[in-house]
Amino acid sequence: QKEVEQNSGPLSVPEGAIASLNCTYSDRGSQSFFWYRQYSGKSPELIMFIYSNGDKEDGRFTAQLNKASQYVSLLIRDSQPSDSATYLCAVRAGGSYIPTFGRGTSLIVHP
Amino acid sequence: GAVVSQHPSWVICKSGTSVKIECRSLDFQATTMFWYRQFPKQSLMLMATSNEGSKATYEQGVEKDKFLINHASLTLSTLTVTSAHPEDSSFYICSARAGGSLAGEEEVTDTQYFGPGTRLTVL
Repeated sequence: QKEVEQNSGPLSVPEGAIASLNCTYSDRGSQSFFWYRQYSGKSPELIMFIYSNGDKEDGRFTAQLNKASQYVSLLIRDSQPSDSATYLCAVRAGGSYIPTFGRGTSLIVHP
Repeated sequence: GAVVSQHPSWVICKSGTSVKIECRSLDFQATTMFWYRQFPKQSLMLMATSNEGSKATYEQGVEKDKFLINHASLTLSTLTVTSAHPEDSSFYICSARAGGSLAGEEEVTDTQYFGPGTRLTVL
């Protein structure tokens, strides 16, 4: 059974700090990795995806992938109160169109 | 970016009635659409996957006769909750992907985009 694990949190960080969100997965055949942000009462929105080992940066967001350790993370630099949301990690195996979602980590950025 | 719309955004209905939710891809053709349900403070639960022109594939435990899914065109999928009951009250979210059969770089970068969701309350 494919599993995607995230700490439910909440993770609380001060404004301006770096928030680090982590995700582990069980399926070694996973090829694509996605981070979604979900505000309370809203649907998820894609932040970024990564599929190669290493770092991928997009603005204040950096995704880090380590396939050997089956670990993907999302770093948010200069965190803002508007970043307060639940962050969902999604993992997809090769040959599949259906990702497996983690339960999400709640992030609170306090002023 | 790819835009997916849902209608209605919220609906309140009486127990026993049926409710239809529409999901549209506005600026791309969606080969596959997904329907999710999310209860408060819980994770997304995939209900079914539908491909244009074929029957939907339902996840284990999801009643296909209760949750009717139709994917009649490359831009429209509908979810009908039949004979709704209070326990069906939830946040229903669709998502869509543009790709068909993919390989290599296209396969790994294939992404699904979510609609804004429909909040269903059954009295």
